[in-house]
Amino acid sequence: NAGVTQTPKFQVLKTGQSMTLQCAQDMNHEYMSWYRQDPGMGLRLIHYSVGAGITDQGEVPNGYNVSRSTTEDFPLRLLSAAPSQTSVYFCASGQSAKNIQYFGAGTRLSVL
Amino acid sequence: GQQLNQSPQSMFIQEGEDVSMNCTSSSIFNTWLWYKQEPGEGPVLLIALYKAGELTSNGRLTAQFGITRKDSFLNISASIPSDVGIYFCAGRRLPDSGGGADGLTFGKGTHLIIQP
Repeated sequence: NAGVTQTPKFQVLKTGQSMTLQCAQDMNHEYMSWYRQDPGMGLRLIHYSVGAGITDQGEVPNGYNVSRSTTEDFPLRLLSAAPSQTSVYFCASGQSAKNIQYFGAGTRLSVL
Repeated sequence: GQQLNQSPQSMFIQEGEDVSMNCTSSSIFNTWLWYKQEPGEGPVLLIALYKAGELTSNGRLTAQFGITRKDSFLNISASIPSDVGIYFCAGRRLPDSGGGADGLTFGKGTHLIIQP
């Protein structure tokens, strides 16, 4: 009963480093998305995917790349980390954009 | 982008009290969702609302989809210590409303703190 699994749970980066946040779901959901959560803010959509091979930008896409080579996985890449990207990142999935979104436990990222 | 105004920002209540929080927007939504987030975890869905005027309960939780489609509220009756957390509303816009990709906009959350 895994649901949406995110790794790592915690990460510290130096400015300019790159890394990939992993997200996997075992519910055969077509729709997957990445959000960031900052203090005092709601969740803001970074990128989303409506199915394998299809991705698109959300509200705050700058500095992030995504790919969707399989239905199960939706990694988020930080190309050159900046302190402004210090945040908690959540991956979510659903059968479609209209359906309920299930969230992972989050990745807490600090960029020094 | 679209904005949801969620209030109150925080609530300090006594165990056993009822709780009420709401979200309002200048835009029309066709779905309202209420999530709860506990420390170190992702948001967990509590209630989903799909029709204007809809009133839905989940145990001690009751939520309503406003008639104007621009608001929603969540009530928690007889609060208990495990109700502590951050409650988020989220609205899904009509398909042609523009803005964020999947139309799901989140409020900034209501911190619920319960004093025994």
